[in-house]
Amino acid sequence: DTGVSQDPRHKITKRGQNVTFRCDPISEHNRLYWYRQTLGQGPEFLTYFQNEAQLEKSRLLSDRFSAERPKGSFSTLEIQRTEQGDSAMYLCASSSRQGRNTEAFFGQGTRLTVV
Amino acid sequence: AQRVTQPEKLLSVFKGAPVELKCNYSYSGSPELFWYVQYSRQRLQLLLRHISRESIKGFTADLNKGETSFHLKKPFAQEEDSAMYYCALSLMNTGFQKLVFGTGTRLLVSP
Repeated sequence: DTGVSQDPRHKITKRGQNVTFRCDPISEHNRLYWYRQTLGQGPEFLTYFQNEAQLEKSRLLSDRFSAERPKGSFSTLEIQRTEQGDSAMYLCASSSRQGRNTEAFFGQGTRLTVV
Repeated sequence: AQRVTQPEKLLSVFKGAPVELKCNYSYSGSPELFWYVQYSRQRLQLLLRHISRESIKGFTADLNKGETSFHLKKPFAQEEDSAMYYCALSLMNTGFQKLVFGTGTRLLVSP
């Protein structure tokens, strides 16, 4: 599968612990997005990278959340001091630089459960 | 504020029946609308976008700016159409594809 890859697929953690997720976009894509999806809701935008630059962050992204894309390739999303409300599916997507609104390809997501 | 509304959580039809999944949006700018589909145990994938004006897997959707709607239609549903369908709005003024999703409609097609 040469699509967007996310690791791990599932993560169960205790409240207060830190977690980190990884996203590997499609190789030629310079744009990378993180979304969060809670039960019964559609995905909600969290943040966007163009190459290594983080160009937009949603107000949903509290101070406990940090995302990086150090070399403009893979990205990590870290959640510090997890809370039960952080339980969700975290989706990564990527798209190419061709045009302004090209298709975003999604990964299969990382399901986080905070107990 | 930008918003996408999908009023039906579940739509259940029999094979061969027509299908219409409703989507309404709220956006002051020029909208770009999409339908995404998620089949069981698969990733979210683009089904169609309004600027393409094409039919994918027999589905079509027409943007109606007067009614601010982008309903998804198929004249004859198939069992393999059973999936979760999300309507999404791209905010054109952001310079990138920032998507606002609706809450989704689960389509169940019975034999």
